[in-house]
Amino acid sequence: GQQVMQIPQYQHVQEGEDFTTYCNSSTTLSNIQWYKQRPGGHPVFLIQLVKSGEVKKQKRLTFQFGEAKKNSSLHITATQTTDVGTYFCPRSLNAGGTSYGKLTFGQGTILTVHP
Amino acid sequence: EAQVTQNPRYLITVTGKKLTVTCSQNMNHEYMSWYRQDPGLGLRQIYYSMNVEVTDKGDVPEGYKVSRKEKRNFPLILESPSPNQTSLYFCASSLSIPRGTAYGYTFGSGTRLTVV
Repeated sequence: GQQVMQIPQYQHVQEGEDFTTYCNSSTTLSNIQWYKQRPGGHPVFLIQLVKSGEVKKQKRLTFQFGEAKKNSSLHITATQTTDVGTYFCPRSLNAGGTSYGKLTFGQGTILTVHP
Repeated sequence: EAQVTQNPRYLITVTGKKLTVTCSQNMNHEYMSWYRQDPGLGLRQIYYSMNVEVTDKGDVPEGYKVSRKEKRNFPLILESPSPNQTSLYFCASSLSIPRGTAYGYTFGSGTRLTVV
């Protein structure tokens, strides 16, 4: 399988500041997914990126997939207290481009926002 | 409402007493999966299923069993629970899109299991 490292492990920001978390892979990814888990909650699927250089936006969240499809980032503009949580970019098992449902989560990036 | 339902939400049991955590989805998803979440270890996949009667081991399958007799249900079975299986468990399901990619898992609300 592919190894995906997510950084930073923790991030503390003041409300209104921007936040970015990065996922870096040693091998080319077929796609990348992003999830958010609020404290005490369950992971929620945010988005999937598939194409090289793809950029997608969801309100204040901007997701990017690198040109080489080896890295991805999630950027939050002007954080709010509702952004608090853990952000994950799990890796897929790839056998000829298919994941077959095997999705491995790491520890993610834990974001805290101080009001 | 499209959802993944797991039961129970909370369970305290004793070592060695067999238990089953149920999971059901109403979205006609092909893929289903079980995860456990522990502090400092993130989410770890226990088992996953690609369709009815097709299951495979995840990263931490020891001590667990699953079955997929119907598309909507994917129960997690602990034949002889031990204290190291105390954890927060999540069931999830996903649609299969072309080329076998799982498009975004929908997670249940979780089951907090304590084994004493």
